[in-house]
Amino acid sequence: GAGVSQSPSNKVTEKGKDVELRCDPISGHTALYWYRQSLGQGLEFLIYFQGNSAPDKSGLPSDRFSAERTGGSVSTLTIQRTQQEDSAVYLCASSPPPTNNEQFFGPGTRLTVL
Amino acid sequence: AQKITQTQPGMFVQEKEAVTLDCTYDTSDQSYGLFWYKQPSSGEMIFLIYQGSYDEQNATEGRYSLNFQKARKSANLVISASQLGDSAMYFCAMSPWGGSEKLVFGKGTKLTVNP
Repeated sequence: GAGVSQSPSNKVTEKGKDVELRCDPISGHTALYWYRQSLGQGLEFLIYFQGNSAPDKSGLPSDRFSAERTGGSVSTLTIQRTQQEDSAVYLCASSPPPTNNEQFFGPGTRLTVL
Repeated sequence: AQKITQTQPGMFVQEKEAVTLDCTYDTSDQSYGLFWYKQPSSGEMIFLIYQGSYDEQNATEGRYSLNFQKARKSANLVISASQLGDSAMYFCAMSPWGGSEKLVFGKGTKLTVNP
């Protein structure tokens, strides 16, 4: 497939557990973004990667959240000690070089923390 | 800080008519980009249209056009000849530096197209 893919599509976990969300960007896209969409907060930026480095991680809500990107491709968003307020849809997007006008979004991972 | 305001939580339009979705923004940046995305009930975010802050002409993409009024800091989306498939959430967003770095989104407008 040519689009951004995310896995899993749905994740249900218990409060206090750690979760990992994966994003496969479109091949050749150097920029990668994570966003969170929840009913109360709308769409919020979490972190931006250019290659493997993260020049902007200002949106990560707490130190329980971390992300990495390897090989300039796949990215993993990790949430430690999940809380109920972490329940949301986590969206990944990528865009090609040079800095481009359009971000291509994946289908999202719906996270439910019980 | 950048802020996007969409004042219409919901809009209704008859099929084949035109509709305008409002968006105002606030930024102190001189260079920025404005975007509209569509999110159907299936959840995917679909890019519709882009306007750069230095673009003198309003952007158009098929049935979508962006009514950019820089002095008023507004970037309204106009959909002509509405179709039933246009029913979705519509989000206005901006990026601070005119390129695709982080997007700041509005709360969205739910558009319903009636037959």
